[in-house]
Amino acid sequence: GIQVEQSPPDLILQEGANSTLRCNFSDSVNNLQWFHQNPWGQLINLFYIPSGTKQNGRLSATTVATERYSLLYISSSQTTDSGVYFCAPKTGTASKLTFGTGTRLQVTL
Amino acid sequence: KAGVTQTPRYLIKTRGQQVTLSCSPISGHRSVSWYQQTPGQGLQFLFEYFSETQRNKGNFPGRFSGRQFSNSRSEMNVSTLELGDSALYLCASSLAGGPYEQYFGPGTRLTVT
Repeated sequence: GIQVEQSPPDLILQEGANSTLRCNFSDSVNNLQWFHQNPWGQLINLFYIPSGTKQNGRLSATTVATERYSLLYISSSQTTDSGVYFCAPKTGTASKLTFGTGTRLQVTL
Repeated sequence: KAGVTQTPRYLIKTRGQQVTLSCSPISGHRSVSWYQQTPGQGLQFLFEYFSETQRNKGNFPGRFSGRQFSNSRSEMNVSTLELGDSALYLCASSLAGGPYEQYFGPGTRLTVT
């Protein structure tokens, strides 16, 4: 199956700083989602981005499907951005999302 | 539109017992997928149901089973619970599976003692 690698595994930022999270995957994808897992465990949808670039407020994401990677940009980080960020690409016709191991982000004052 | 709901939110069971978890998808969504999250294995796909049929299954033992009802609500069952089954169980719904965006519920946290 598809292999997913996320980097960095851990990230500590001061409030207001910018960051880039990377997701590499080993196969062609027809769907890729980014999630933020909050402290209570819920996965919050950030982006559905099989290719191209999208922006939502301080967050933006880019997927370059031909080179098999996706990037999540967080600008002007806030303490509420803390948590674990997962990318989850999908191949084929099935619904199965394959999750990376995540990037744990801590934003400090 | 209401999101994905899961019940119960927390559960404590004893080894050897069985447990049933429930998931109600977003209205109009017909595909429901289940995932298990543990500290050691991360987030892993259990199975997907679409139109009351299991369409895909992950690499889990037969003790893990599920079903989907005509209103798209889904249940998963774990029989003969083991300590290693302690996990956060997440349910996701999408319009029709495939490349459609998936939306997750808040999860059921199962502790097996």
